[in-house]
Amino acid sequence: SQQGEEDPQALSIQEGENATMNCSYKTSINNLQWYRQNSGRGLVHLILIRSNEREKHSGRLRVTLDTSKKSSSLLITASRAADTASYFCATDEETSGSRLTFGEGTQLTVNP
Amino acid sequence: DAGVTQSPTHLIKTRGQHVTLRCSPISGHKSVSWYQQVLGQGPQFIFQYYEKEERGRGNFPDRFSARQFPNYSSELNVNALLLGDSALYLCASSAGQGNSPLHFGNGTRLTVT
Repeated sequence: SQQGEEDPQALSIQEGENATMNCSYKTSINNLQWYRQNSGRGLVHLILIRSNEREKHSGRLRVTLDTSKKSSSLLITASRAADTASYFCATDEETSGSRLTFGEGTQLTVNP
Repeated sequence: DAGVTQSPTHLIKTRGQHVTLRCSPISGHKSVSWYQQVLGQGPQFIFQYYEKEERGRGNFPDRFSARQFPNYSSELNVNALLLGDSALYLCASSAGQGNSPLHFGNGTRLTVT
């Protein structure tokens, strides 16, 4: 079953603009991760935020986590055409032991 | 260093047949996980193996099985294929038993006709 729900399902912006994607989940987590997938290929890990962290940065990426609302957001600043991809949040649940539970993803299109 | 490698990249099978998918993890990684990704959806967890032992199983029928070898490579087997098994099968490795983070291969695209 899918725990994470991403919002929006699809997002289209112009190069240079910022892109914000949101993720909601249902259970207690150890950490939340964001992955990127280009056109049916493998997923690439972008960033991990632990349950006791509220914000994390990596280059043009900024992730926030609100465990009280069970939600996270991924901000990509100064987007580029090469950022066009699907973005997935994935939760490492406290009781899962061994699995990541992925949302259904946000399809981001950055127009040149 | 080589990343996670999967073979074959594409496969076409007929309903009722059997399929074996293969995965080689990143050197030094002892954990391998398998995920199924149906078109338009997020990946769904199938199995995790760590140190050659099954450490987790997702909500998939017994037609799905896997194993991990002494060199930490892994196979996913699916018997009695159904049309609904058509998907991208992703293998991921990690250094420890946990999921932080996962390194994915490019997957095997399975089409069942």
